[in-house]
This record gives sequence, structure tokens and C-alpha cells, in this order.
Amino acid sequence: TQLLEQSPQFLSIQEGENLTVYCNSSSVFSSLQWYRQEPGEGPVLLVTVVTGGEVKKLKRLTFQFGDARKDSSLHITAAQPGDTGLYLCAGARGQGLAFGKGNQVVVIP
Amino acid sequence: GAVVSQHPSRVICKSGTSVKIECRSLDFQATTMFWYRQFPKQSLMLMATSNEGSKATYEQGVEKDKFLINHASLTLSTLTVTSAHPEDSSFYICSARGQGVDYGYTFGSGTRLTVV
Repeated sequence: TQLLEQSPQFLSIQEGENLTVYCNSSSVFSSLQWYRQEPGEGPVLLVTVVTGGEVKKLKRLTFQFGDARKDSSLHITAAQPGDTGLYLCAGARGQGLAFGKGNQVVVIP
Repeated sequence: GAVVSQHPSRVICKSGTSVKIECRSLDFQATTMFWYRQFPKQSLMLMATSNEGSKATYEQGVEKDKFLINHASLTLSTLTVTSAHPEDSSFYICSARGQGVDYGYTFGSGTRLTVV
């Protein structure tokens, strides 16, 4: 059973369009993290959200943590080809992290 | 920022041999290191957690005698895949966390292991 469910698993959009991907769980997390992973590389941390209802912005990326701290979303405005990658959400589990399967985003020039 | 170096990036080995993967924190002391495994189109699955100077804690279903983890110093952890089999072929990623609540998780660049 996957602790964190990410949807959609795959998304292909044209450059300049907006997109939103989701990370959902039935469990409450003290915090959630979003990472981007390129093929053959380790994940790179984008943001950590801690407070329910929190919204964080990182340039064209907007991250939101659900009020109940069970879900999160990532919105990309005016997507660029450089935004292509696998976006992973992760929540603390023990000392380590539990990851979702990821949202594979492809931005077509 | 915090940097974690993982080596080698790719390795091919024969069935039955052992392979060692190194994970180093370059500019901070990693009190805790984590080892993950990622199969194609799958998520990262935590294999084990190691704290410096103590035995690693393995996740359910991970064979501790097959995946030997050593965390002998605050900057180095190693994962040794013993008696490797083709089904052990995967992408192995380490992560390190320093002391203090502000230290997040920093990931290495991963090791692609292929057992032939």
C-alpha cells in the first residue's frame, strides 16, 4: 500500500501552459517535502511545507499544504522545458522519508 | 549548501560477487544516513537507516545479511550488496541528515547497479 498517492502519474503539456499535480494521503504528516528527480540522478529538494494551509512559492512553482496536513499540490505557471522531470512528494516516516511514486512532467517546447 | 557524494555512479558486476557503494557528506556531519532503492518507474523505497557508530535499522523485507551497511564515521556510510543476483539490479540512492532540526535530507546522485 502506497502511503502517498501522486496524481497524475504522467502529464505532458506545451510550453507556457499551467499545470497542477497532487500528493494525497490518508495519514497526517508533520511536514511534506517536494523533490524533483532527473533520470539517473538523486532527488533534489524543492520545498518543505510544515503548516496546514501553508502556501510557498519558488519562482513559477507554488506549493500548497492541505489544511488537514494530509495532502499537497504543486502548481507550475507558464511551464518551461526546464521544468521537465519527476516530481516526488515525501513525508517523514520514522527517521527517514516515505515517497510517492511521483508525477512525471514533460514540457514540450 | 549540504552536499552528499555517492560513488560509484554506475557499476556492473557478475552474479555472486559483492559490490560496495560509498556515500559521503562533504561539508557537514551526517548523524543519520539512509539508503533507498528505486526500481524503474517506481518510487524510492527506504531500505535502512544508519546512525553513526551503531547498527543499521532495516526496513521490513530487507535482508540485513545481504545488504551490509556500515556508518563508521560522521561523513561516510557504505552499502555492500553481497552475493549479488540479477534481481538486485536497481538504482541505489543514499541520503544524509545532519544535526539540528534545520538540517533536511540531502540525497546523493545515486548508483546504478547492474548484476549480470
